Amino acid sequence: ETGVTQTPRHLVMGMTNKKSLKCEQHLGHNAMYWYKQSAKKPLELMFVYSLEERVENNSVPSRFSPECPNSSHLFLHLHTLQPEDSALYLCASSQDNGDTQYFGPGTRLTVL
Amino acid sequence: EDQVTQSPEALRLQEGESSSLNCSYTVSGLRGLFWYRQDPGKGPEFLFTLYSAGEEKEKERLKATLTKKESFLHITAPKPEDSATYLCAVQSLFSGGYNKLIFGAGTRLAVHP
Repeated sequence: ETGVTQTPRHLVMGMTNKKSLKCEQHLGHNAMYWYKQSAKKPLELMFVYSLEERVENNSVPSRFSPECPNSSHLFLHLHTLQPEDSALYLCASSQDNGDTQYFGPGTRLTVL
Repeated sequence: EDQVTQSPEALRLQEGESSSLNCSYTVSGLRGLFWYRQDPGKGPEFLFTLYSAGEEKEKERLKATLTKKESFLHITAPKPEDSATYLCAVQSLFSGGYNKLIFGAGTRLAVHP
């Protein structure tokens, strides 16, 4: 595997489900990011981790819970989501915070 | 407040018809302007980073330029495979001395044979 990978690529869940999105970067980077991309809206930054420490929580509802166990892996835990949370969730990484960010393919999430 | 505005929202070109996409920005202290290409259902693909006014970067049919208020992505003799959404983003400083990207809404480019 090369670059930034995300699993699953597609996810359909009910509002009462609990699921997790996974991101892995194979670039040796120290910073990782979660973004939300909704139709016809700019990418919205959700969380930033630098050296495994969360440094930004961009006013994201508590039903989204990030986890960064090491510099190569990032998770986004989801619970009791709303239909308006349906979107493309993108993970990115950079050498250090402030360097060029490289994105994964995203997880298309649909909340029923 | 830091802001990025891209225009036009959508652009339709004939193959070989050159044009430019615009990205205007307001940011307190530019720490980098980034261009990405995004194909439907995929993540953004990095194209260029520009750091100072007057800087230019080129890659195949694409050329990015930067002034103090805006950036242009020039597309010369485009081909159908250049069809994608082009995203512009600026690096912004937030509390704690960390950086984040602020994205524009993108320009959807369609190149027809």
